[in-house]
Amino acid sequence: DAGITQSPRYKITETGRQVTLMCHQTWSHSYMFWYRQDLGHGLRLIYYSAAADITDKGEVPDGYVVSRSKTENFPLTLESATRSQTSVYFCASSESGEGTYTFGSGTRLTVV
Amino acid sequence: AQSVTQLDSHVSVSEGTPVLLRCNYSSSYSPSLFWYVQHPNKGLQLLLKYTSAATLVKGINGFEAEFKKSETSFHLTKPSAHMSDAAEYFCVVSDLFSGGYNKLIFGAGTRLAVHP
Repeated sequence: DAGITQSPRYKITETGRQVTLMCHQTWSHSYMFWYRQDLGHGLRLIYYSAAADITDKGEVPDGYVVSRSKTENFPLTLESATRSQTSVYFCASSESGEGTYTFGSGTRLTVV
Repeated sequence: AQSVTQLDSHVSVSEGTPVLLRCNYSSSYSPSLFWYVQHPNKGLQLLLKYTSAATLVKGINGFEAEFKKSETSFHLTKPSAHMSDAAEYFCVVSDLFSGGYNKLIFGAGTRLAVHP
């Protein structure tokens, strides 16, 4: 089915472990984004990508790594998970980057 | 820098009564403004957007918002609430990011409860 899919939907991991959250979109949108959602903070941008092989930091990039070798995929890796990274993570894509985004259903990550 | 303030963290209405969710923005130039909705355990969905055309913007599911530059507001309204409108609503402003694209800046959200 066309759309933007995130996996896994739920993940529990231990402090210090590496974990990768996956995001896949089927529209060939140029722009892709990773946000985290925490109570009282709304959504905050972690990383974004304007095209394959072009990525840049958002507001809260520390502790995260991204890559975009293919247009349709934009994985987010937590290199050494910390409890402060417990959050709901949303991936989004946009054709033009002008502000109309399509969001995935989110990944709820718990770091214990 | 752009910012948005959602004036109410929670709003509770009865089914069939009007909905008003308030949003003020801060911008050094004419902004693009959006309202997104998030239903429980779902991703965010675009409700409507303002991009300097008509000041009254109509969105999906009967929602609309009015851009008032003099008040720096972009309040979301609906004449008659439905139970399915219960969700979290985010006011969003678009800011030109250093990468040359428009970065979305989210408000903290307003949780709308609809009672029978």
